Amino acid sequence: DAGITQSPRHKVTETGTPVTLRCHQTENHRYMYWYRQDPGHGLRLIHYSYGVKDTDKGEVSDGYSVSRSKTEDFLLTLESATSSQTSVYFCAISEQVRSYEQYFGPGTRLTVT
Amino acid sequence: KQEVTQIPAALSVPEGENLVLNCSFTDSAIYNLQWFRQDPGKGLTSLLLIQSSQREQTSGRLNASLDKSSGRSTLYIAASQPGDSATYLCAVRGRNTDKLIFGTGTRLQVFP
Repeated sequence: DAGITQSPRHKVTETGTPVTLRCHQTENHRYMYWYRQDPGHGLRLIHYSYGVKDTDKGEVSDGYSVSRSKTEDFLLTLESATSSQTSVYFCAISEQVRSYEQYFGPGTRLTVT
Repeated sequence: KQEVTQIPAALSVPEGENLVLNCSFTDSAIYNLQWFRQDPGKGLTSLLLIQSSQREQTSGRLNASLDKSSGRSTLYIAASQPGDSATYLCAVRGRNTDKLIFGTGTRLQVFP
């Protein structure tokens, strides 16, 4: 298994509070991604990074921000959590020399009450 | 805009059957296509990746084919086992993008 960890694995928070999810990799892959998975919508890209301090938006980026200050860490922040952000969040990594094959972390289940 | 469709949404088969899962995409200008497996409550596990220049890839009892011109990929599972029960997702990467577009998956149940 690719060396990807996510923390926390489960979190319950209240509406309006900021939340930060962490993705950590030990593979030294250049690309990192944040997805959310919801019934009926499948996996949707929130933000991704193509290098340290280089990030771009995905299809559902509103209400989320990201930061990548080191190759191994990619942080996802919900600036002011809403109930619509209750979801399972997955981090993934990829590398050009491996044909951009994506490897996924175990996920974080976030509940916003 | 690329759209990826997987049919059927769910499939239930007896153990031992050979089966085919389908993935369709609307834009044939792809870089590669990836098949994943997801067990309940778990992350995605990469099964096979097919480059746009390839027609098929094999791993054990799994064989994935790609027909870009028709916008289709199939995942063939030989001699299915109860342990194959999971959701199978396909995802397409376009030529000029860093992003994967996912289908909504086929939920497979293999019963003894």
